[in-house]
Amino acid sequence: SQQGEEDPQALSIQEGENATMNCSYKTSINNLQWYRQNSGRGLVHLILIRSNEREKHSGRLRVTLDTSKKSSSLLITASRAADTASYFCATGGPGAGSYQLTFGKGTKLSVIP
Amino acid sequence: EAQVTQNPRYLITVTGKKLTVTCSQNMNHEYMSWYRQDPGLGLRQIYYSMNVEVTDKGDVPEGYKVSRKEKRNFPLILESPSPNQTSLYFCASGTSGAYNEQFFGPGTRLTVL
Repeated sequence: SQQGEEDPQALSIQEGENATMNCSYKTSINNLQWYRQNSGRGLVHLILIRSNEREKHSGRLRVTLDTSKKSSSLLITASRAADTASYFCATGGPGAGSYQLTFGKGTKLSVIP
Repeated sequence: EAQVTQNPRYLITVTGKKLTVTCSQNMNHEYMSWYRQDPGLGLRQIYYSMNVEVTDKGDVPEGYKVSRKEKRNFPLILESPSPNQTSLYFCASGTSGAYNEQFFGPGTRLTVL
């Protein structure tokens, strides 16, 4: 099954800086989603981008999708200490499998105050 | 409040002792799913359900059972737990549409001795 792979595995930045995380996947998708997980807790949906979209914004989040390269990026601008968490991309396949999500292994973001 | 609840949140048990982890959602979602999360492996899907009485295997179904007798509940059953099932388990629910944002429960940390 397709799987998103996040890069880098870990990222440490200073508060106020921007954080960029990347996700690559292997097969055709219907949509790509980003989730956030605070340590040991449930995942929280951040943003969904459809396969026919190239960019999407939500507050301080910006997501891009390049289906030709099978890749996506998540940009968090003006990071805060509260953004410290793990971030996962999840891909939804085309057709009947579009409701199924396959998650990557995540990027662990640390924002230093 | 819209939510997914899981019980218990923490469980320590012994090999071979049957256990059930309950999952309930109050959002009238058709789709429900179980994942396990292990260090370095990300989230892997165990089973999912598209609606009442409709269940199917995910990527790692061995050693698990599920049932969906009511729309709101989706229990995960371990008939004979083994130490390799020690993990953090998440239940999630979502609509069954093509763009399925999933809502996650708080997680159940299971240790099998």
